[in-house]
Amino acid sequence: NAGVTQTPKFQVLKTGQSMTLQCAQDMNHNSMYWYRQDPGMGLRLIYYSASEGTTDKGEVPNGYNVSRLNKREFSLRLESAAPSQTSVYFCASSLLATATGELFFGEGSRLTVL
Amino acid sequence: SQQGEEDPQALSIQEGENATMNCSYKTSINNLQWYRQNSGRGLVHLILIRSNEREKHSGRLRVTLDTSKKSSSLLITASRAADTASYFCAGGGYGGATNKLIFGTGTLLAVQP
Repeated sequence: NAGVTQTPKFQVLKTGQSMTLQCAQDMNHNSMYWYRQDPGMGLRLIYYSASEGTTDKGEVPNGYNVSRLNKREFSLRLESAAPSQTSVYFCASSLLATATGELFFGEGSRLTVL
Repeated sequence: SQQGEEDPQALSIQEGENATMNCSYKTSINNLQWYRQNSGRGLVHLILIRSNEREKHSGRLRVTLDTSKKSSSLLITASRAADTASYFCAGGGYGGATNKLIFGTGTLLAVQP
């Protein structure tokens, strides 16, 4: 099993460009999450999806949109990238619809916005 | 910010010594989890302790939780060079939001061989 797969692993954008980060899990998990990780800030929750068909804002949702395409896939879109969105983005999934179990993480997508 | 805080931010020890990391959080949780992140990699779950538990063990890991002080600690005994990584605590059910897992800022552990 691949677990949680994120694409692309690396991306460089210019300010104002748009892009979508893709995430897929093959563990039949109900919940999926997008986090960003910045030096000294730890991980901050951007959006999450408790189950297929639902999405909710996390701590830092501004500038992002998400789509829970089906149970396996959860994408994160930057409509107009800004330098402040330079970060490492992690997708995660969990079996339970509540944060009572462990999260499984992808390897991260490193985004640089010039 | 809802984030928890970890102490110390960085810790350097010799192989064979014990490493203790502390975590404080700001509001109610229903569980506290610890994760490990090797450089350039994703996070890996280590251990979960529920709010009605005070201590839990897993191999060389010992976790304590004090809900009255809103704090937790992770002890790694007999550390190895391979334990070098960043360690994060995360509060589950943060502030009653059952679908959120909020992370602390992490402790960078370096174990010298």
